[in-house]
Amino acid sequence: AQKITQTQPGMFVQEKEAVTLDCTYDTSDPSYGLFWYKQPSSGEMIFLIYQGSYDQQNATEGRYSLNFQKARKSANLVISASQLGDSAMYFCAMKGAGGTSYGKLTFGQGTILTVHP
Amino acid sequence: DADVTQTPRNRITKTGKRIMLECSQTKGHDRMYWYRQDPGLGLRLIYYSFDVKDINKGEISDGYSVSRQAQAKFSLSLESAIPNQTALYFCATSVRRGRTDRISYNEQFFGPGTRLTVL
Repeated sequence: AQKITQTQPGMFVQEKEAVTLDCTYDTSDPSYGLFWYKQPSSGEMIFLIYQGSYDQQNATEGRYSLNFQKARKSANLVISASQLGDSAMYFCAMKGAGGTSYGKLTFGQGTILTVHP
Repeated sequence: DADVTQTPRNRITKTGKRIMLECSQTKGHDRMYWYRQDPGLGLRLIYYSFDVKDINKGEISDGYSVSRQAQAKFSLSLESAIPNQTALYFCATSVRRGRTDRISYNEQFFGPGTRLTVL
């Protein structure tokens, strides 16, 4: 079974500063993918970034980067130069490649990020 | 126009009523999913379908049923709604990439959500 843990219920950051949102995972699949989604107060789920377990380099998408440490089973999201519009709930999720986890996303509990001006 | 639509967007109903939530997509994806979101629990998978003839139970399927009427439509039913089914429900789609489907860029695209309240 897969499990995603986000231990930070809430985080605060000053505008223009960087912030790291933690995510640890547990899986027995040799191949898997890790995702981060943003959910603003309006409720929609917005895809931010993806990291494959075999990818050699950490993923980056604009101001988002994923600090992937496979041995530690962590996939932290780093947001650089925070903006007020970054205030939202952030979810880490994993997709497995085999067995009962094939093709399905497992989500963490989420972290609420608040950006202060 | 949205690629993944959900109807209704909001619904208030009473205990014991039958409710259907509908999802339609124009992305041409073969895979569709239903999740529910509860505070502090993230999103949990209810049912998923990898094609029209393939429907599978997810993590929390009890009390729910689904129908995949066509590749583009996937409906979720609550046969007899109860208050603890009050939640935000999301439909999502994705596409299989390649026969082996080695993990690659393969995000799920979410609908806008349906907020369901069972009194």
